[in-house]
Amino acid sequence: EIVMTQSPTTLSVSPGERATLSCRASESLSSLAWYQQRPGRAPRLLVHHTSTRAPGIPARFSGSGSGTEFTLSISSLQSEDFAVYYCQQYGAWPLTFGGGTKVEI
Amino acid sequence: QVQLRESGPGLVKPSETLSLTCFVSGDSVRGDSYYWSWIRQPPGKGLEWIGYVYYSGTTHYNPALRSRVTISIDTSSNQFSLRLTSVTAADAALYYCARLNYDSAWLLDIWGLGTLVTVSS
Repeated sequence: EIVMTQSPTTLSVSPGERATLSCRASESLSSLAWYQQRPGRAPRLLVHHTSTRAPGIPARFSGSGSGTEFTLSISSLQSEDFAVYYCQQYGAWPLTFGGGTKVEI
Repeated sequence: QVQLRESGPGLVKPSETLSLTCFVSGDSVRGDSYYWSWIRQPPGKGLEWIGYVYYSGTTHYNPALRSRVTISIDTSSNQFSLRLTSVTAADAALYYCARLNYDSAWLLDIWGLGTLVTVSS
């Protein structure tokens, strides 16, 4: 299976700052998705096809990358953005997720 | 809008079978691009995709669980179900059902709230 590795495990930032999250795949991918999980909530789709925001997702979220290295950036952190973020590959079965990056204050 | 809701026992004994059902409202499980999936999350850990079922009954499972898992669908009731046999403490998790939407990519675009399953005698 394709192993997804996220870094850092925890990212401490202040509101208004920029956050950059990384995801590395064990094999080359054409694209991937990102999910956000707020405390006590189900994950929600943020970005797919590496850089396409899901409906209703603010423009401060942006994805980039190719091959085995991908990035999710949050340009100006709002209070509601403090959450855990997961990358997910859909290039091969089984679908696999990274271990998550917790964005905290 | 589309909503998913998981239902089932919150406590299962070791070696027994875990059974959960996901009720889908606001959409038909018969959608051509929709595959109905289960994902789990052990406490404090990451996400593990378990498998999916298509409205035709076609299934696809995570090889790590394939020998113990069955996902089925009831199109007349607009619901789908998960069975996991011979459970151990490692199967204790928050179980989510989700819609897996294929639109040039396999995306989990709608999730239920999740249901917590504890494994204990």
